[in-house]
Amino acid sequence: KAGVTQTPRYLIKTRGQQVTLSCSPISGHRSVSWYQQTPGQGLQFLFEYFSETQRNKGNFPGRFSGRQFSNSRSEMNVSTLELGDSALYLCASSLARGPTDTQYFGPGTRLTVL
Amino acid sequence: GENVEQHPSTLSVQEGDSAVIKCTYSDSASNYFPWYKQELGKGSQLIIDIRSNVGEKKDQRIAVTLNKTAKHFSLHITETQPEDSAVYFCAASEPGNQFYFGTGTSLTVIP
Repeated sequence: KAGVTQTPRYLIKTRGQQVTLSCSPISGHRSVSWYQQTPGQGLQFLFEYFSETQRNKGNFPGRFSGRQFSNSRSEMNVSTLELGDSALYLCASSLARGPTDTQYFGPGTRLTVL
Repeated sequence: GENVEQHPSTLSVQEGDSAVIKCTYSDSASNYFPWYKQELGKGSQLIIDIRSNVGEKKDQRIAVTLNKTAKHFSLHITETQPEDSAVYFCAASEPGNQFYFGTGTSLTVIP
């Protein structure tokens, strides 16, 4: 079974631009969560989608948004990029939300904002 | 909300020795505690997890212990090998809620 895939793997943007990252979950998984990983901050939760609905949202500004499609694939968009948005963005999928959830992570997208 | 703290941030051990990474959490409602290993180019992989109704779980050289009263859980790696070198993250989660992660521990196993 294929794992979680993320595209692109690396991205370089300049301040003020916008970016869209994509995540394809493991087949059959309906929940996709997004995280931002920076040195010293660890993984910070962005949001979680389940069956095309955003169910949980972390403490990030409105420039960060996402969506999930009917095939469970998810996209994350960051508008008006800032230097501090440079990070590794990870998505994780799980079969279903609930006590037995186990999250499986993708390799991440490394975003550099110049 | 939940707050997860992880220590140490870096850890170096000699090959064959044991490594212990500790995490504390704040929300007594959290009941699921996974550990992830992150390697360059390989993403993050779940290596072991424990639920609040269990005090200890082992899988070969890896074990996790949970103290619900003290709200802390630990990852134990015995007989460490160079391939154990990676960044390890702990996390805590309530049922159906988001995961809260520690800040990671960079483990280096010296041959």
